[in-house]
Amino acid sequence: GQQVMQIPQYQHVQEGEDFTTYCNSSTTLSNIQWYKQRPGGHPVFLIQLVKSGEVKKQKRLTFQFGEAKKNSSLHITATQTTDVGTYFCAGWGQAGTALIFGKGTTLSVSS
Amino acid sequence: DAMVIQNPRYQVTQFGKPVTLSCSQTLNHNVMYWYQQKSSQAPKLLFHYYDKDFNNEADTPDNFQSRRPNTSFCFLDIRSPGLGDAAMYLCATSRDRAPGYEQYFGPGTRLTVT
Repeated sequence: GQQVMQIPQYQHVQEGEDFTTYCNSSTTLSNIQWYKQRPGGHPVFLIQLVKSGEVKKQKRLTFQFGEAKKNSSLHITATQTTDVGTYFCAGWGQAGTALIFGKGTTLSVSS
Repeated sequence: DAMVIQNPRYQVTQFGKPVTLSCSQTLNHNVMYWYQQKSSQAPKLLFHYYDKDFNNEADTPDNFQSRRPNTSFCFLDIRSPGLGDAAMYLCATSRDRAPGYEQYFGPGTRLTVT
């Protein structure tokens, strides 16, 4: 079945350093969504990418969708302690009716 | 504020004792989902309702059932909880289940099985 893989599983950075998490799908995706889950919290929708090669920015966060629509990345510039949490990518397959979540990347930030 | 509400936030049940978790929404969304999330893992979809149409994931154990009596409410029933069912249970909604619709998650119910 369709799988969505995400790396790294954990990442620790010093405040002010950059951070990137990568997401890869075994099949072509119709779109991809990113969610953030704070420690002890629930996933919160961040953004959706639909078009091949699409790049979207939210302040210090940059999201990319690969040209083949099989991979995506989230880059955070100059991390802050408020960025702590687990970032999940979640993809819709071409014929799917449900989101498939990656395992997530847990970001910790020390000041 | 429109939102997804889950009750209770914490539930302790005994091994084999049936338990029901509740979810309600004020978003008037067509789709309601139930996910199971274990520590440091991704949410795992158990099933979803598209309006009154129930859709079970192939690998969801028969021990898990769901009811959606109306648009606003959805229940997760675990008929005979085992120790392996201890997890966070997340309810989510979306306007439609077609690709492109974001999901709104509730705060979750953490289930402990003793």
